Amino acid sequence: QVQLQESGPGLVKPSETLSLTCTVSGDSIRSFYWSWIRQPPGKTLEWIGYGSFSGTSNYNPSLASRAVISLDTSKNQFTLRLTSLTSADTAVYYCARGKASPVSWGQGTLVTVSS
Amino acid sequence: DIQMTQSPSSLSASIGDRVTITCQASQDILTSLNWHQHKPGKAPRLLIYGASNLESGVPSRFSGSGSGTDFTFTISSLQPEDVATYYCQQSDNLPPTFGGGTKVEIK
Repeated sequence: QVQLQESGPGLVKPSETLSLTCTVSGDSIRSFYWSWIRQPPGKTLEWIGYGSFSGTSNYNPSLASRAVISLDTSKNQFTLRLTSLTSADTAVYYCARGKASPVSWGQGTLVTVSS
Repeated sequence: DIQMTQSPSSLSASIGDRVTITCQASQDILTSLNWHQHKPGKAPRLLIYGASNLESGVPSRFSGSGSGTDFTFTISSLQPEDVATYYCQQSDNLPPTFGGGTKVEIK
């Protein structure tokens, strides 16, 4: 059974770049699609985008200019980079297996954007 | 983006009660509708995909129905372990979008 675990900084300053890693066990990231989803406080879930080993990727238009998802097959991990952070990016960030339908999720990691 | 309107936003029911949640899409999404369960501090869990298909290992008291723009999620007999927030999510068009969630509590 696949398991996903997010890791990264809990606190980031405005205008900086966020880098989050999702470590996958029980599946090879060479297979399937891998996504990031977030939930700001008091709001619903927001899909950020997906990536794959083949290089296929797609991003939410609301974040497309700032988000990049990349895969590291040597570590069986995938990463989200989000640039030019503002307080609106404060959220719990989840990684998931799936393209448009998250099948397996990580527990999430809280990222706070504050000076 | 497709808007997903979920109701109610919260409900309180007794053990053994039948619980129903509705989800409406802003346009026709055929049966491209998933239901996820989220317990605090835990990873969200996919319960139903394709509007009515039970994910492997999910108890049969959970069910889903609907097509087009109107969907229903049902717990046939509410159990204590079902306390969670439930989200509908459309996968017909990118970007995938989620309903606002329904928080289910025990009365």
